[in-house]
Amino acid sequence: AQSVTQPDIHITVSEGASLELRCNYSYGATPYLFWYVQSPGQGLQLLLKYFSGDTLVQGIKGFEAEFKRSQSSFNLRKPSVHWSDAAEYFCAVGGTGRRALTFGSGTRLQVQP
Amino acid sequence: GAGVSQSPRYKVAKRGQDVALRCDPISGHVSLFWYQQALGQGPEFLTYFQNEAQLDKSGLPSDRFFAERPEGSVSTLKIQRTQQEDSAVYLCASRPLPGTENYEQYFGPGTRLTVT
Repeated sequence: AQSVTQPDIHITVSEGASLELRCNYSYGATPYLFWYVQSPGQGLQLLLKYFSGDTLVQGIKGFEAEFKRSQSSFNLRKPSVHWSDAAEYFCAVGGTGRRALTFGSGTRLQVQP
Repeated sequence: GAGVSQSPRYKVAKRGQDVALRCDPISGHVSLFWYQQALGQGPEFLTYFQNEAQLDKSGLPSDRFFAERPEGSVSTLKIQRTQQEDSAVYLCASRPLPGTENYEQYFGPGTRLTVT
């Protein structure tokens, strides 16, 4: 069975500081990995995805993520956080064929001025 | 182009009432998923359609939940005799052809259901 763990429920960073959100997954084959962002009252917006190839993936809004097979991780990073990045972030695995995505429980990011 | 739309955006139901939630996927998208997102949790899979065929309904929590997509486009999630534990945001997502390399699912804004 596939699963995703996001160990940090809530993270607070100062504006301009760097950010890393952790994601660990369990998947029986080559994983398809995603990071989504959800602002209050909004749907999920895709930040980036990994299917194969280069393990460092660039996304929108200056985000990147690195796939590490040996650690079963897909951590999300941003070098300098903006106040508008405050939101809930979800890591997800799967979604191929008829498979649905399996999401982690999310990390809420708060940005201090 | 237009994204996935859902209606209503907010729904308050008294316990025991039936509700119907609508999803309009992106035009031409073959695959459609429904997810349930409880407060403070990540979305959880409910059911999957490929065109009009419901290929997976393993995530539906009880037989009070029913989904359909009769013409392979618009989908409706129906909940009968709502209970308080049904309170959640219901998300719909669509995706182009299955089996392609683009596995991105495009999400609608969700319907927030509150059962009082």
